[in-house]
Amino acid sequence: GESVGLHLPTLSVQEGDNSIINCAYSNSASDYFIWYKQESGKGPQFIIDIRSNMDKRQGQRVTVLLNKTVKHLSLQIAATQPGDSAVYFCAENMGGSNYKLTFGKGTLLTVNP
Amino acid sequence: DSGVTQTPKHLITATGQRVTLRCSPRSGDLSVYWYQQSLDQGLQFLIQYYNGEERAKGNILERFSAQQFPDLHSELNLSSLELGDSALYFCASSVGSGGSYYEQYFGPGTRLTVT
Repeated sequence: GESVGLHLPTLSVQEGDNSIINCAYSNSASDYFIWYKQESGKGPQFIIDIRSNMDKRQGQRVTVLLNKTVKHLSLQIAATQPGDSAVYFCAENMGGSNYKLTFGKGTLLTVNP
Repeated sequence: DSGVTQTPKHLITATGQRVTLRCSPRSGDLSVYWYQQSLDQGLQFLIQYYNGEERAKGNILERFSAQQFPDLHSELNLSSLELGDSALYFCASSVGSGGSYYEQYFGPGTRLTVT
């Protein structure tokens, strides 16, 4: 299974820079994807989602890109702020009427002031 | 604050024991989901209840069980605890279930330590 914690991929950026966090998903039948943010000591928090019939979706300062050909998802954060420092997870729903999310490994984003 | 509450925040117990974790969903949410987050397995879906009925099952061990009560709060029961059960246990809730996705709101988690 995938893991988080000691072996998390990490991304360190300067405040104000744009951040790109990548995620490879496992199932070509997955039809729904979500990015979550988890700050230390807290539960995951929904950031943005995208359905498989889309390749791009924009939110406030965030953009999610979906490339179904290579099963790749990315989260772009514009003008990254210190408050964006957290672990970011992608999650996929592998189809079906019940939404059992499968979470990726997670990426630790550190924003340097 | 997501509106989902979980108790207790921390729990320390011995191997072989049984514990109950409690979750109160956001007001108006009918679905409750339980997740386990450990260092070696990451965040894993355990089970989902919708309006008192089990709707979906993930990687939940037979030693674990859950239920959702008429007032919609949920309990996760973990028995015959092993060291490897030490983890963060999250509850999430959403408005609906099945057929379409409803955003899941996560609680702050219960940290279980088995010694």
